[in-house]
Amino acid sequence: SQTIHQWPATLVQPVGSPLSLECTVEGTSNPNLYWYRQAAGRGLQLLFYSVGIGQISSEVPQNLSASRPQDRQFILSSKKLLLSDSGFYLCAWSEGSGGAYEQFFGPGTRLTVL
Amino acid sequence: AQSVTQLDSQVPVFEEAPVELRCNYSSSVSVYLFWYVQYPNQGLQLLLKYLSGSTLVKSINGFEAEFNKSQTSFHLRKPSVHISDTAEYFCAVKLQGGSEKLVFGKGTKLTVNP
Repeated sequence: SQTIHQWPATLVQPVGSPLSLECTVEGTSNPNLYWYRQAAGRGLQLLFYSVGIGQISSEVPQNLSASRPQDRQFILSSKKLLLSDSGFYLCAWSEGSGGAYEQFFGPGTRLTVL
Repeated sequence: AQSVTQLDSQVPVFEEAPVELRCNYSSSVSVYLFWYVQYPNQGLQLLLKYLSGSTLVKSINGFEAEFNKSQTSFHLRKPSVHISDTAEYFCAVKLQGGSEKLVFGKGTKLTVNP
């Protein structure tokens, strides 16, 4: 069966520090991968998605970036965190392309920027 | 572009009462529809989905949703809620034959009181 991992589970970082959040998927090949941010009262905001290694689509201009160095690994990064980057970050995956495939979510990372 | 509206941000109910969480969408093409549930500090879990066929879909824990094409709605219902149903519920749409993205509503927080 497929599983999705995210780490760390919680993170407290000072403003201006770098960020690296990692997501890995097991039990599937060539998944679509997604990064979302969930801020209080604002629902889920899609940040990036990827349909293959090295292919990243950005949804919202910001100081975050994403990379997909391996088929089942998705990394969210920032060089300098802002207070507004605080939130709950969720990674998700789905099968293939073009189909009625639901997304499966990881457990999330709670990021607090102070 | 498609959008999803969840009309109620918070819904308080008493245990064993019926509940309806409303979801309306707008799209110029056919869509797939999903309901996700999120328990505190966890990722999202798929509750049920409508892809095609019967417009009434059911989950294993007693929830059901009905796709109404003319009203562009996909309301979630349960005839008798439990304390354990307390969570946030998200409605989402995906374009048929479109991009790999899900568009989410802002969520409805269901609180079941004893």
